[in-house]
Amino acid sequence: NAGVTQTPKFQVLKTGQSMTLQCAQDMNHEYMSWYRQDPGMGLRLIHYSVGAGITDQGEVPNGYNVSRSTTEDFPLRLLSAAPSQTSVYFCASSYSPWGAINEKLFFGSGTQLSVL
Amino acid sequence: QQQVKQSPQSLIVQKGGISIINCAYENTAFDYFPWYQQFPGKGPALLIAIRPDVSEKKEGRFTISFNKSAKQFSLHIMDSQPGDSATYFCAASGENAGGTSYGKLTFGQGTILTVHP
Repeated sequence: NAGVTQTPKFQVLKTGQSMTLQCAQDMNHEYMSWYRQDPGMGLRLIHYSVGAGITDQGEVPNGYNVSRSTTEDFPLRLLSAAPSQTSVYFCASSYSPWGAINEKLFFGSGTQLSVL
Repeated sequence: QQQVKQSPQSLIVQKGGISIINCAYENTAFDYFPWYQQFPGKGPALLIAIRPDVSEKKEGRFTISFNKSAKQFSLHIMDSQPGDSATYFCAASGENAGGTSYGKLTFGQGTILTVHP
């Protein structure tokens, strides 16, 4: 049982490039989400999904796309990378589709992204 | 708009001392308040959580104190150990908090705790 797996761990992009951050979980969790972590800002929700085929925006969705074709995978796409997207990205999942109370989030180990 | 404000940004404590981290929230619809602990190079992990129907929750050396009228809650780490050195995040969510669900956590800015041996 690997939990939440994120790849790659590190990535450097040039401005304007696109890429996909991968996230997979093997716990059969319905709820998955993406956060970005910036110094002094805490973690901010980018997009989330309550099940396969269902996604919605979080607090900071601009510049990012997501899709959820399977329960296990929830990739995050950067359409045209900008220096402001330099951050550490975390994928998280939980069992309940609506993140029920007391339902803890399981986080991956993160992807450190630098956009030059 | 930062709905959960956390302080201090960093905290240095001697081994055996008490570490106290404070958070204040604005949205009165929040009714679930977890704390997450993050070690370098790792993702955050749930440490302890509280609902506003109680004023205090204790799990081992970790205690959450909650003041609903002041919209504040805090984490107390008793007998702090070097192994507690990590970044701590408070968070909040609520089923009716502006259309959010409990899974859509709003995080504080984080506190870097260093416990000296």
